[in-house]
Order: sequence, then structure tokens, then C-alpha cells
Amino acid sequence: NAGVTQTPKFQVLKTGQSMTLQCAQDMNHEYMSWYRQDPGMGLRLIHYSVGAGITDQGEVPNGYNVSRSTTEDFPLRLLSAAPSQTSVYFCASSYAGLSYNEQFFGPGTRLTVL
Amino acid sequence: EDKVVQSPLSLVVHEGDTVTLNCSYEVTNFRSLLWYKQEKKAPTFLFMLTSSGIEKKSGRLSSILDKKELFSILNITATQTGDSAVYLCAVPNSGNTPLVFGKGTRLSVIA
Repeated sequence: NAGVTQTPKFQVLKTGQSMTLQCAQDMNHEYMSWYRQDPGMGLRLIHYSVGAGITDQGEVPNGYNVSRSTTEDFPLRLLSAAPSQTSVYFCASSYAGLSYNEQFFGPGTRLTVL
Repeated sequence: EDKVVQSPLSLVVHEGDTVTLNCSYEVTNFRSLLWYKQEKKAPTFLFMLTSSGIEKKSGRLSSILDKKELFSILNITATQTGDSAVYLCAVPNSGNTPLVFGKGTRLSVIA
């Protein structure tokens, strides 16, 4: 199993450009999430999904869109990039269930917006 | 409003020291608390705690949960330079929502 994969690993954008960060998992996990990590801020939840066709906002959703058309994929779209979106982005997935399960993280995408 | 607060935010110790990292939380319908270690890449899972007073142990690392006082501690004994990392504490916010993370404790172990 590849686990959780993210592409690209690095990206530089100009202000106003749009792009999609890709995330895929091959563990048949129901839950998938996007976090951003900034220095001194820990991991902050952007959007999440509890299954195909279902998404919801996290703590910092503004400027980002998501969709979940399949169990495996959960892309994150930046509509019009801003310097404030410079960050490291992590995708994560986990099983659903009555007891909470460990989240598995992808390797991250380092995004710089100029 | 922070739901997960970690302390200290940073810590520098010498090899061989024992350290205690703290995590307090405030969530409705508590289910579990998780500890992760993050070096220069993605967080890696250490422990998941669901019951008070039951210590989880892995080598020199151990952790315990106090559900009455709403906190957890992560202990590392006989620290090594390889323990240098950011240690993250997280809880599911409510229901089945994903994890809410604290800001982390940056541990630096010097030889």
C-alpha cells in the first residue's frame, strides 16, 4: 500500500493564480482531511470529508474548496492564491468507527505564494 | 478559543535528561487523545489514549490521561538527540470530526 500520497511536493505560485493540491489514499478510509501548518501555529484544519460526496469546513476554510467524488481522492483547490496561503499542507485519512482511530498523514506539500 | 493547549512550547535539554510534556484539552463528548511526533516531515503516530490512569508505553516514551482534570502528559526518559522533534497533541473535536491539534512542543536534545 502507498498509504496517503500528495502531489506536488513543492509549488510556487503568483498571487491570484489557482491550483489544485492532490491527495489520494489506498487504504479505503472513509475520513479524509486537509490541514495547513504554519510556524508556531500547529496543524489547523481546512476542510474534511466523512465519505464520498460529503465535505465540511474546518477551522480555516476561506480561500479553499474541496470535493470528494471518490473514496480515494480528496483534492484541495486554491481559487485565487494569496501570500497568506504560503504554508505546508498535509492531507490525512482515517477509518470511521465508534472509537476514534489514528490519522495517517501524507508527506506534505510546501506551497509558496509570491 | 483554543481547545488543545500544550506546554511548554519549547524545551531544550541535555542527553540523558527526562522530560514531561503537557497537554490540556476542552472538547465535548471526549473520545480520545492522540500524541504525534513530527520531525522534518509529516507527523507520525505515537499513542492514542482513551481511558484515565492507564499508561501507554513504548520504549522510553510513555503517556497517561486524566479525564477528570482534562489533561495528558508525555514522558520521555533518557532522552537522545534523535528525540528532537515537535510533539503534537490532538483530540477529535466532536462526533466524528477530524483532529484538533495543539501548537506543539518543540523539544531539542543536545549532546
